[in-house]
Amino acid sequence: DAGVIQSPRHEVTEMGQEVTLRCKPISGHDYLFWYRQTMMRGLELLIYFNNNVPIDDSGMPEDRFSAKMPNASFSTLKIQPSEPRDSAVYFCASSFGTEVYEQYFGPGTRLTVT
Amino acid sequence: KQEVTQIPAALSVPEGENLVLNCSFTDSAIYNLQWFRQDPGKGLTSLLLIQSSQREQTSGRLNASLDKSSGRSTLYIAASQPGDSATYLCAVGSTSGTYKYIFGTGTRLKVLA
Repeated sequence: DAGVIQSPRHEVTEMGQEVTLRCKPISGHDYLFWYRQTMMRGLELLIYFNNNVPIDDSGMPEDRFSAKMPNASFSTLKIQPSEPRDSAVYFCASSFGTEVYEQYFGPGTRLTVT
Repeated sequence: KQEVTQIPAALSVPEGENLVLNCSFTDSAIYNLQWFRQDPGKGLTSLLLIQSSQREQTSGRLNASLDKSSGRSTLYIAASQPGDSATYLCAVGSTSGTYKYIFGTGTRLKVLA
């Protein structure tokens, strides 16, 4: 398997623009997680899905952020409108179950909002 | 609210030394604990997963232990090598509310040749 795939790897955009980050989980995994990593706050869980259904979105910072998982092999994280404080590395991870299975992370998308 | 702490924040050791990285958590109601390494500019690589019913897991030169009652986990690296240089993160699978991972802030390890 190719592992968790994220695109784009780097994104530079201007404040106010819409940004869409994409993730393809490992085939067969039924959990998908979106994280954000910054120097100040470390790694934070934004939202996670189970069988394409959002389970916990309490980490989504505000209404500008939205996430979807239309099918088992694709998810998006959208920021609209983007702000400079959204600059971070966004990771997608997937797992097969929870307690006894590891989470596997994608390479991340480095977002810079100017 | 679960809080995860990793001490020290940074560590430099000479090649060949055995070392221990620490991870502390405040709420013992956990599903599991996972150790990761992160290389600069890269994603996270899973090292070891310890389920809540287990005491330790081993993989090669790595050994991770879990003591839920005291809220502690350690990652032991034997015979360290320069290639072990990375940031090591622990993540606790918390049972508070819905399942989620709470990450520590990491220990930045440098192994000197």
